[in-house]
Amino acid sequence: ETGVTQSPTHLIKTRGQQVTLRCSSQSGHNTVSWYQQALGQGPQFIFQYYREEENGRGNFPPRFSGLQFPNYSSELNVNALELDDSALYLCASSFRDYTDTQYFGPGTRLTVL
Amino acid sequence: DAKTTQPNSMESNEEEPVHLPCNHSTISGTDYIHWYRQLPSQGPEYVIHGLTSNVNNRMASLAIAEDRKSSTLILHRATLRDAAVYYCILRDLWTGGGADGLTFGKGTHLIIQP
Repeated sequence: ETGVTQSPTHLIKTRGQQVTLRCSSQSGHNTVSWYQQALGQGPQFIFQYYREEENGRGNFPPRFSGLQFPNYSSELNVNALELDDSALYLCASSFRDYTDTQYFGPGTRLTVL
Repeated sequence: DAKTTQPNSMESNEEEPVHLPCNHSTISGTDYIHWYRQLPSQGPEYVIHGLTSNVNNRMASLAIAEDRKSSTLILHRATLRDAAVYYCILRDLWTGGGADGLTFGKGTHLIIQP
């Protein structure tokens, strides 16, 4: 069983640029969620995709967008980067059931200068 | 999801049991209690979950108070590898698998002394 993988591991961008982060879900999972984790804080929910449709969203602006593909890999896109977007970005895959146990990847560390 | 309260940090010795408390006084009847942990430089990792009865798995045990207003994650024999931030999260039965994601607090930073 392959776990959740994310790429790249680290990324440095400048303010105003756009970034795409990638996630490969665990085999058999049909749902992917993305989280932002600032230093010293718990992860915050960005949005969730289920069967290629955005299924729910946290308190993040529209410049955070995503895609989920038929093979259940997914992308997180952030436009017009701001300094406060510097964080660890985590994706988590799950099989949509009542427990919603989520399996997290190692994250992508984004630094915005 | 209802709110949980955890101590900011706890310290324990290697090879001793660790009891990590969580208060959730506003828990509803359909809230599951989930625990995740996050080791340094890694993503969170599922530990255990329960509804009313105590639960055991290979990683830990979960003891749930009779009134369900608190719970305790028990690591029976802590190792250095158990040093992590532990998060207690409530997840409603009807929205689990739903669209609002997990609500993480700041968790408990567990320090293990050799």
